[in-house]
Amino acid sequence: DQQVKQNSPSLSVQEGRISILNCDYTNSMFDYFLWYKKYPAEGPTFLISISSIKDKNEDGRFTVFLNKSAKHLSLHIVPSQPGDSAVYFCAATPSSSGSRLTFGEGTQLTVNP
Amino acid sequence: GAVVSQHPSRVICKSGTSVKIECRSLDFQATTMFWYRQFPKQSLMLMATSNEGSKATYEQGVEKDKFLINHASLTLSTLTVTSAHPEDSSFYICSASRDDYEQYFGPGTRLTVT
Repeated sequence: DQQVKQNSPSLSVQEGRISILNCDYTNSMFDYFLWYKKYPAEGPTFLISISSIKDKNEDGRFTVFLNKSAKHLSLHIVPSQPGDSAVYFCAATPSSSGSRLTFGEGTQLTVNP
Repeated sequence: GAVVSQHPSRVICKSGTSVKIECRSLDFQATTMFWYRQFPKQSLMLMATSNEGSKATYEQGVEKDKFLINHASLTLSTLTVTSAHPEDSSFYICSASRDDYEQYFGPGTRLTVT
């Protein structure tokens, strides 16, 4: 049972344009969400997070939107840069579980110069 | 801050031998450490959660006698793959957490069992 799903395995965008990565979840107990970026043969690095009491969190070029009623979140990167090319994972956790995360399958983002 | 290291970065071993992977939090004390494995083009699968000084909690389907986890201090956790077989070949990643929701990941260890 995949509780966190990233339905797009890959996304390709042009440099300077917006990248939108999507994530859906099924567990209504999830109330904290994170996005991680991963390069091949490296561990994931934390990008941005959002608590369920918010619907938007912004950090520089990265913005995460949360739609609780739809159980959907998205990561917007604007403007996209070639260095953003990586696999992006969304993750979710219920506050009660401490920091135990459930990850989505990941989306490979390719930003073309 | 929040740097996590793993050693070794890659290891090749023969079938039937055991391999130990170390995970260290370099600049903070980790109350909890996590071990994941990742198959090509797949998500990170949580194997176990460990807290310093107590037994690890394993996810369903993960053999605790095959994947031994020791969390001896607030900065070190080890994963030992015992009697490794080719199907254990994978990318193993650890992460460490303080008292918040964020996990800080190590660079991963590529295990190849021949």
